[in-house]
Amino acid sequence: DAMVIQNPRYQVTQFGKPVTLSCSQTLNHNVMYWYQQKSSQAPKLLFHYYDKDFNNEADTPDNFQSRRPNTSFCFLDIRSPGLGDAAMYLCATSRVGNNQPQHFGDGTRLSIL
Amino acid sequence: EDQVTQSPEALRLQEGESSSLNCSYTVSGLRGLFWYRQDPGKGPEFLFTLYSAGEEKEKERLKATLTKKESFLHITAPKPEDSATYLCAVHSGSARQLTFGSGTQLTVLP
Repeated sequence: DAMVIQNPRYQVTQFGKPVTLSCSQTLNHNVMYWYQQKSSQAPKLLFHYYDKDFNNEADTPDNFQSRRPNTSFCFLDIRSPGLGDAAMYLCATSRVGNNQPQHFGDGTRLSIL
Repeated sequence: EDQVTQSPEALRLQEGESSSLNCSYTVSGLRGLFWYRQDPGKGPEFLFTLYSAGEEKEKERLKATLTKKESFLHITAPKPEDSATYLCAVHSGSARQLTFGSGTQLTVLP
């Protein structure tokens, strides 16, 4: 089945220690997204790519960065995680177009010690 | 700025007890309204897209409807496996991306 796969499912890191989360997709969608979701809150968009065109949300913290080396893969790098960065990180993909639904992976739960 | 408000925040139903979840929105030029289901520890699963007032979509025990100000997700004769958080999101002409509501946490008791 075509899908969005996130690895790892659970990630524990230390305060200030860089961490990378990964996402791959077999849907061949042009658009990929990274969201942060905290408990009982709405997903919050961090960035998205239209193909290789990177789009950063205005309020995304500077220590969050992303890479998309090809259509299938996308990475979220957190350079210096703080306690407030503990959350579920969701990757999603969609076709290009305003009304295209986004398809989500199962997320990576990030904990900060 | 687009706004999406979902109510109630939490809903507990007995198995077979039908009910509705509400999603109220304020947007400039609605392009689409999306419903998702999210199970604990998992990503949102796409359910429906609604494009214009009066539109309805159905899937098993779920039916989504849309007016110019709100959408309802009707759950008919729910089962315990329908327990999840249901998220509503809108895409408007003024925003580049989806705006999500905070969700309704539905619990269906056997």
